[in-house]
Amino acid sequence: QQQVKQSPQSLIVQKGGISIINCAYENTAFDYFPWYQQFPGKGPALLIAIRPDVSEKKEGRFTISFNKSAKQFSLHIMDSQPGDSATYFCAAIQGGFQKLVFGTGTRLLVSP
Amino acid sequence: KAGVTQTPRYLIKTRGQQVTLSCSPISGHRSVSWYQQTPGQGLQFLFEYFSETQRNKGNFPGRFSGRQFSNSRSEMNVSTLELGDSALYLCASSLDVGQGARQYFGPGTRLTVT
Repeated sequence: QQQVKQSPQSLIVQKGGISIINCAYENTAFDYFPWYQQFPGKGPALLIAIRPDVSEKKEGRFTISFNKSAKQFSLHIMDSQPGDSATYFCAAIQGGFQKLVFGTGTRLLVSP
Repeated sequence: KAGVTQTPRYLIKTRGQQVTLSCSPISGHRSVSWYQQTPGQGLQFLFEYFSETQRNKGNFPGRFSGRQFSNSRSEMNVSTLELGDSALYLCASSLDVGQGARQYFGPGTRLTVT
């Protein structure tokens, strides 16, 4: 019930292309869905987040799409750049709590 | 504002030893959480502290413990280290309790158990 499933495990995209990472959850008590970006040697950094009452949220080149009925959400990185090469984690959290439940991560490589 | 700081950044210990990791939250932040990151298990919640009290604990054995001080700084301790405890230990802080959506992570402490 607490799991968040993430795919793919790794992704190679050409510069300028679209990177798409998918996540699915089971626990309907989750009410906030953040995405984190992690570079080697660094801690995860909050990238963008969405609540289930919104179907899409866009911040710059990053967009979250959310399908509440399917319990799925995805991250789209438009015009992917080599600097976007990092590991991306989706997560879910229940309101009023501190515990983030993370997906297994996607290692993105954007080739020049 | 300085971010979350963790010390030490790297640590090598021998199986059976114990270790203490330290975390200083962002100034003004009163809630601290700890996570373990491994290639096999990913990021897993260890525990959460607020106002010197542990509010929640993840599914880890009792060898893992922590505490929080009155200045919000936190420490975690792992006793009787096992090889499987080798991991990146991350600390995250947020302004107040129940604000898990706005947690900021430190760079982590890389623990290697030999």
